[in-house]
Parts: sequence; structure tokens; C-alpha cells
Amino acid sequence: DQQVKQNSPSLSVQEGRISILNCDYTNSMFDYFLWYKKYPAEGPTFLISISSIKDKNEDGRFTVFLNKSAKHLSLHIVPSQPGDSAVYFCAARSLNNNAGNMLTFGGGTRLMVKP
Amino acid sequence: DVKVTQSSRYLVKRTGEKVFLECVQDMDHENMFWYRQDPGLGLRLIYFSYDVKMKEKGDIPEGYSVSREKKERFSLILESASTNQTSMYLCASSPRAQPQHFGDGTRLSIL
Repeated sequence: DQQVKQNSPSLSVQEGRISILNCDYTNSMFDYFLWYKKYPAEGPTFLISISSIKDKNEDGRFTVFLNKSAKHLSLHIVPSQPGDSAVYFCAARSLNNNAGNMLTFGGGTRLMVKP
Repeated sequence: DVKVTQSSRYLVKRTGEKVFLECVQDMDHENMFWYRQDPGLGLRLIYFSYDVKMKEKGDIPEGYSVSREKKERFSLILESASTNQTSMYLCASSPRAQPQHFGDGTRLSIL
């Protein structure tokens, strides 16, 4: 049973428009959420994160929104650029006594930004 | 800049072989992780280590073991490779409670 779900396997957006990637989770114990971006033949790279005590975090063109009551978060990219084309993974953190952090990942959404 | 290096980008092995995947990080991170990535399933945690010689099982440890004899190196071992272990394997490291940094992955094919 997947605790973190990304229900859209792919998303296509025109350059300059907004990209919205969605993520749902089921575990109320998750306290921190992250987005990773992955290009082909490379490992995932950390993009942006949000603590469960906040509802929004912004970093340049990237904004993450968290709705705790709905157990839903989203990543907004404005404006979208062709270089943003990649697979985006949502991840949720639960605390581990030894490692301090354990991540549970969603299945990923492939974003294609068309010029 | 954090560097996580996986020893092989591509690897082809036969069923029943013992397979070693190596990972090295250069940032003195306490934590190291092994994941496998499969289409539609995202990244699933196999094992992690929070200190030298310490390890904990992740979500899918069956058929795998790990070794961490030095802080910078974390090895994943497939004791007897099977075709359902064909996958992309990703290593990551992090300081305690900080975002993880990933290597570029090893695409392993078991024939």
C-alpha cells in the first residue's frame, strides 16, 4: 500500500505556462515533505521542501503548497521552461531514531515542457 | 559540492550470481541509503546505514544485504541474483535529518 501517491504519471505543459504537480499521502506522522527532480541517466536532485507546520514555501520559480487536512501537496513551477522537463518525485519524511530521516517516495510524474 | 559515486553505471549478471554494488560519498555523511527505482513505483528503500557497521532494513530488504565497513563506503549485495532484481539501483547519503544526495544510479540487468 503506497503511503505517498502521485496519481498523474505524466504532464505536458507549454513553455511559459504554469506546471502543477500533485502528491497525496496517507500517513499523518509525516512531518516534512520534499520534491526531487530527476533527469534521465542522473540521480534525483533535491529541489524544494516544506515542513508540516507551514502551508507554503517558495524558491524562485518553484512553490510547494501543503494542505494537511487533505493530506495533499503540490509543486507549482512558474513560468515553466523546457529545461524543467524531467521526472519529479514527491517524498515524505518520517523520523527514525537512528538516521533522523526516512523518506517515502511517490511513483513520480514525468513533466514535459514544450517550446 | 556533495559527490556520491556509484562504481558502475551499467551491469549485466546471470541468475544465481553474487552481485556487489558499491557506493562512495565524500562528504563525511552519517547516513547512507540504497534504493531501487522501478517504473510507477518510484524509489523504494532497500537498506540504510546510520553509522559504520550499523544497518537497518528498509521496505524491501528480501534478497539483499549490505556492508558498511568505512564511513564513506556502503555496499549492496545481491546474495543470489534473480531476474526480478533487474532494476535501477540508487545510492544516497545525507547528514542526519537533512535532504539526501543521490548518485547517478546503476542499471542492473539479471539474465
